[in-house]
Amino acid sequence: QSALTQPASVSGSPGQSITISCSGTSSDVGGHNYVSWYQQHPGQAPKLLIYGVFNRPSEISDRFSGSKSANTASLTISGLQAEDEADYFCSSFTTSSTLVFGSGTKVTVL
Amino acid sequence: QVQLQESGPGLVKPSQTLSLTCAVSGGSIASGASYWTWIRQSPGKGLEWIAYIYYIGSTYYNPSLKSRVTISFDTNYQFSLRLTSVTAADTAVYYCARGDSDFDVAFDVWGPGTAVTVSS
Repeated sequence: QSALTQPASVSGSPGQSITISCSGTSSDVGGHNYVSWYQQHPGQAPKLLIYGVFNRPSEISDRFSGSKSANTASLTISGLQAEDEADYFCSSFTTSSTLVFGSGTKVTVL
Repeated sequence: QVQLQESGPGLVKPSQTLSLTCAVSGGSIASGASYWTWIRQSPGKGLEWIAYIYYIGSTYYNPSLKSRVTISFDTNYQFSLRLTSVTAADTAVYYCARGDSDFDVAFDVWGPGTAVTVSS
């Protein structure tokens, strides 16, 4: 199974909105709604931001939102803040009951 | 609140077997419909799913690692990973994580990670 495709980097100014894409196939992203997103700061373990395509754990800011269209999922960060500078990974369950991560996107706050 | 803590040897010689354990505290493995998982991250690289074991014992493996990997429960509070015939490509930070059915199998709890270097 191949890693899901994400842009290597995305940048934005404070207050702006940015969107990170996560492209897969009908066997993973397009196959069901078990798509999640994680934020990872340097030296730390990843943190769950979004699950089930668009759901947020209670402690996650509503500045983070998720969506999906066909084989591509997206994470949007609204009102970009300095603390949002981190690496972001998508993940999807597959139709074979395995799991695959995205290649990762480095977000830079200008 | 469930917490996870990985333990490992730190340094492993090429061709040897890597054994890692994940201690579960604040809850037990059998306390819910969870997927107990190993994930690794090579230096400067992305996340790679290795394997998970469902709370009832069924196992699933990354096809690219399946021939070398075994995941298992040791107790109701610990699960393990064995990776045979390691090479330098297996050098990584290894994380254990819980995939919870309440979160559509997403990983809501992670351990801090344990670094493993494969070198002679």
